Amino acid sequence: DVQMTQSPSSLSASVGDRVTITCRASQTIGSYLNWYRQKSGRAPELLIYGASSLHSGAPSRFSGSGSGTDFTLAISSLQPEDSATYFCQQSYTTPYTFGQGTKLEIK
Amino acid sequence: QVQLQESGPGLVKPSQTLSLTCTVSGGSISSGTYYWSWIRQPAGKGLEWIGRIYTSGSTSFNPSLKSRVATSVDTSKNQFSLKLSSVTAADTAVYYCARATKMSSTSIYGLDVWGQGTTVTVSS
Repeated sequence: DVQMTQSPSSLSASVGDRVTITCRASQTIGSYLNWYRQKSGRAPELLIYGASSLHSGAPSRFSGSGSGTDFTLAISSLQPEDSATYFCQQSYTTPYTFGQGTKLEIK
Repeated sequence: QVQLQESGPGLVKPSQTLSLTCTVSGGSISSGTYYWSWIRQPAGKGLEWIGRIYTSGSTSFNPSLKSRVATSVDTSKNQFSLKLSSVTAADTAVYYCARATKMSSTSIYGLDVWGQGTTVTVSS
């Protein structure tokens, strides 16, 4: 299985801040990398697919970059509703695997 | 737009079979290039992909669960189902059904529609 490792596991930031979350794959996965946001008690929602493409309906403050094994999710100007856990997921090969999550707290 | 809704028992006894159904509304389960998927999440933990099924019946499962998992599609009811046999307390989780869609003009699949999730507890 492809192992996905996210960092940091948690972070705290203020409204308006720019934050980044990284995800590393245990083998090259091209651009087959998706990012999700999961608010407390809710299902995950797709933000970014193909490493850098913004999913329809996702706020434009989210952006993604990277290819191969190293990827980054950036949030340009944090909003209160961004308090959530963020997961990366590889869709290069089955079984699809997720990172362990990054919990983002808004100060 | 397409919505998914999980249904099934919230409590299953150890060694028994967990059975869940996902009902698709707002669109046909047979249209488009979609894989119908199951994912689970133990309380306070991360996401685990269980497997997926195409409307042709083609399946793919997580090797860690493959010996205990079965899925099916009922196009007449616009539903797909999950069965997980010989459950233990380790199978206690929120179970999500989701749609995997080939995104735009790429070959990349994203889980773009999710059900709200259903909590299944394994306990005697």
